[in-house]
Amino acid sequence: SYDLTQPPSLSVSPGQAASIACSGDKLGDKYVSWYQQKPGQSPLLVIYQDNKRPSVIPDRFAGFNSGDTATLTISGTQTVDEADYYCQAWDSATVIFGGGTRLTVL
Amino acid sequence: QVTLRESGPALVKPSQTLTLTCTFSGFSLNTYEMSVIWIRQPPGKALEWLALVNWDDDKYYDASLRTRLTISKDTSKNQVVLTMTDMDPVDTATYYCARLWFRFHYIDFWGQGTPVVVSS
Repeated sequence: SYDLTQPPSLSVSPGQAASIACSGDKLGDKYVSWYQQKPGQSPLLVIYQDNKRPSVIPDRFAGFNSGDTATLTISGTQTVDEADYYCQAWDSATVIFGGGTRLTVL
Repeated sequence: QVTLRESGPALVKPSQTLTLTCTFSGFSLNTYEMSVIWIRQPPGKALEWLALVNWDDDKYYDASLRTRLTISKDTSKNQVVLTMTDMDPVDTATYYCARLWFRFHYIDFWGQGTPVVVSS
């Protein structure tokens, strides 16, 4: 089965850049999406097709995907960005989620 | 405006069958490349994909749960139903339905989720 691996946690200071990695075999050959989930809320799409942003998502969110790693970068991280982030891809008729990364902004 | 809402029992007993209904609006499941997907999230854990149904009625299931899951759609009612048999306490989770664009495999709208507890 295909796995997506994310670091469990990441901590940054406000104003710093946060980069969350998602790794999988030849992940660059697949489309990757990223979701933000705050406590008690449903996930929210922040990046799709590797690097596209829904219109409601601030432009400080950016995505990149190449080789075996996709990366979500939040530039100028704000306290409102504190959340769990999940990467997602499709492989062999299966939706795959990464294990999630808890981003702490303090 | 796209909305999805999950409904079903909050509590089921072990070995029972869970039936969840996703009622949606703002789009048609007859639309090319449109899908509805079910995902669950155990307390404090990651998202887990369960099943999806496409505009053309193709169905896909998580391999580890395939024997327990059935997904179906009723386009006239704008509903998708998921059944899961032989429920176990480890199936305790919040269950979400969502809209997925099949061509690029991303989920752009989520329901609010419905919590399900499996306990005797």
